Amino acid sequence: GDSVTQMEGPVTLSEEAFLTINCTYTATGYPSLFWYVQYPGEGLQLLLKATKADDKGSNKGFEATYRKETTSFHLEKGSVQVSDSAVYFCALTLRGYGQNFVFGPGTRLSVLP
Amino acid sequence: NAGVTQTPKFQVLKTGQSMTLQCAQDMNHEYMSWYRQDPGMGLRLIHYSVGAGITDQGEVPNGYNVSRSTTEDFPLRLLSAAPSQTSVYFCASSYGGQGHGYTFGSGTRLTVV
Repeated sequence: GDSVTQMEGPVTLSEEAFLTINCTYTATGYPSLFWYVQYPGEGLQLLLKATKADDKGSNKGFEATYRKETTSFHLEKGSVQVSDSAVYFCALTLRGYGQNFVFGPGTRLSVLP
Repeated sequence: NAGVTQTPKFQVLKTGQSMTLQCAQDMNHEYMSWYRQDPGMGLRLIHYSVGAGITDQGEVPNGYNVSRSTTEDFPLRLLSAAPSQTSVYFCASSYGGQGHGYTFGSGTRLTVV
């Protein structure tokens, strides 16, 4: 079946460090890929997305590129801030109306001042 | 504010009790779904609906019921609560189709004792 694998963490970084959270997927079709972020005590918020190969999603300094050849969608940020501390979820949906998400297990990021 | 509203935010149930988690959206989204979030497992789909009067099962539907009588509301019913249903529940809505992403509610934290 369809699945998403990501590093579970926790990941602990110092402020201004470079961030990479790896995400790989398995899908029978041609998925759209997403990164969602969950801040403490809140619901999930869409961080960025990409709908086809080689697309780059970006938002708030975060970036991820849809790599079909490696079935990956790694999340990166050049300089993290304390306010980036959260849980990050990689997810996919497949083509077709009303397709549901398949989520990875989430990666907890803690950024220390 | 427009969005997805979930009530209650917190609930403690005794084993065997029943209850309904409420979800309402005011964005005229056709597509709504319920997920549960458990540590290390990401979000798993319980039930979903592609429109009023239409519902279907997700990955983990046992012990839960849903109905969709209006576009706006999508309640989740626990028929006879069990400790295994202790989790955080998220409702989400979308206007459907691949790549649009969802709007998530802020969640209901349920504890079954």
